[in-house]
Amino acid sequence: DIQMTQSPSTLSASVGDRVTITCRASQSISIWLAWYQQKPGKAPKLLIYKASSLESGVPSRFSGSGSGTEFTLTISSLQPDDFATYYCQQYNSYPLTFGGGTKVEIK
Amino acid sequence: QLQLQESGPGLVKPSETLSLTCTVSGGSISSTTYYWGWIRQPPGKGLEWIGNTHYSGNTYYSPSLKSRVTISVDTSKNQFSLKLSSVTAADTAVYYCVRLAASDHLIDYWGHGTLVTVSS
Repeated sequence: DIQMTQSPSTLSASVGDRVTITCRASQSISIWLAWYQQKPGKAPKLLIYKASSLESGVPSRFSGSGSGTEFTLTISSLQPDDFATYYCQQYNSYPLTFGGGTKVEIK
Repeated sequence: QLQLQESGPGLVKPSETLSLTCTVSGGSISSTTYYWGWIRQPPGKGLEWIGNTHYSGNTYYSPSLKSRVTISVDTSKNQFSLKLSSVTAADTAVYYCVRLAASDHLIDYWGHGTLVTVSS
């Protein structure tokens, strides 16, 4: 199985901050990585696919980069609606696997 | 607009079989373009992929759950289902039904989720 490791697990930030979350794969997954945002009591929402493609309707302050084993999700200017938990997920091969999540909290 | 709606018992006894159904509206489960699957999330924890199936019968399961899981499609009702046998308290979770693109297996749509508690 491909292990996905996210860091940090928790992040405290203020509105307007630039925020970066890292995701590492235990072996190369090329660009087959997605990022999801989850708010309490809600289903995850797709933000980024193929490592850097922005899902339709997602604000442009979200961006993704990376390939192989190292990936990042960046929020260029954190907004109040962005406080949530973020998950990376590889779909290069089965079994599909998720990172442990990064909770973005208000500082 | 696509909607996925999970349904089934919210409480299951240990050693019994958990059964959930996902009703698809706004799209056809017989589309060659998509797989249909299940993901779960124990309370306060992360996401775990369970498995997916295509209406043609092609199916993938998590190795850790494979011996207990069956995912199937009912094209006449535009539904797909999850059966998880011999459940324990560790199977308590919110269960989400999802859609995956057949081209690359990206999970692109999620149901709202349903909490299933395993308890006597």
